[in-house]
Amino acid sequence: GESVGLHLPTLSVQEGDNSIINCAYSNSASDYFIWYKQESGKGPQFIIDIRSNMDKRQGQRVTVLLNKTVKHLSLQIAATQPGDSAVYFCAENRGADGLTFGKGTHLIIQP
Amino acid sequence: DAGVTQSPTHLIKTRGQQVTLRCSPKSGHDTVSWYQQALGQGPQFIFQYYEEEERQRGNFPDRFSGHQFPNYSSELNVNALWLGDSALYLCASSGDRGPYGYTFGSGTRLTVV
Repeated sequence: GESVGLHLPTLSVQEGDNSIINCAYSNSASDYFIWYKQESGKGPQFIIDIRSNMDKRQGQRVTVLLNKTVKHLSLQIAATQPGDSAVYFCAENRGADGLTFGKGTHLIIQP
Repeated sequence: DAGVTQSPTHLIKTRGQQVTLRCSPKSGHDTVSWYQQALGQGPQFIFQYYEEEERQRGNFPDRFSGHQFPNYSSELNVNALWLGDSALYLCASSGDRGPYGYTFGSGTRLTVV
């Protein structure tokens, strides 16, 4: 079946390093993608989004890259901080059935 | 400005019972979507309410139903609970019918025993 998936369930990085979280999607008709951060006991928090007519979008310390050729999405976090520890989800909008989320990547920050 | 508020925060129910979860959207938002998040998984779309009607629905059985009130708040009802319904139920609101500008609440943790 079609689904949004993540390559790695856990990513461990040193504080201050850059983090890259990857996501593969399978529906070429998806037109909108979002990255969410979810901390324990909280709901998903919007980080950054990108529409399918773009390849790259930058926010504060975060960058999302979209490669439609290989159906790949990535989230780059610059200078990772302890507060970045969380589970990160990518989600795609396929139109009529809300957002489809991947299973998530747990980002662990090592001091 | 209050974000999305959900109640209750935690709930324990017995198999076969019925449950009602509540959601107040962020101020200025008129669309409410509900998601189920099982432990260790990503959220799954249940349905969306706009103008007091269900507009979109995910792959969930009819045991899952909802309602939206004139003040845009919403309820999620689940009948005939079974163990597999144990999950975090998330409400998301937005200012239009799409996912743009989604704001999620902190969810209701439902445990079915």
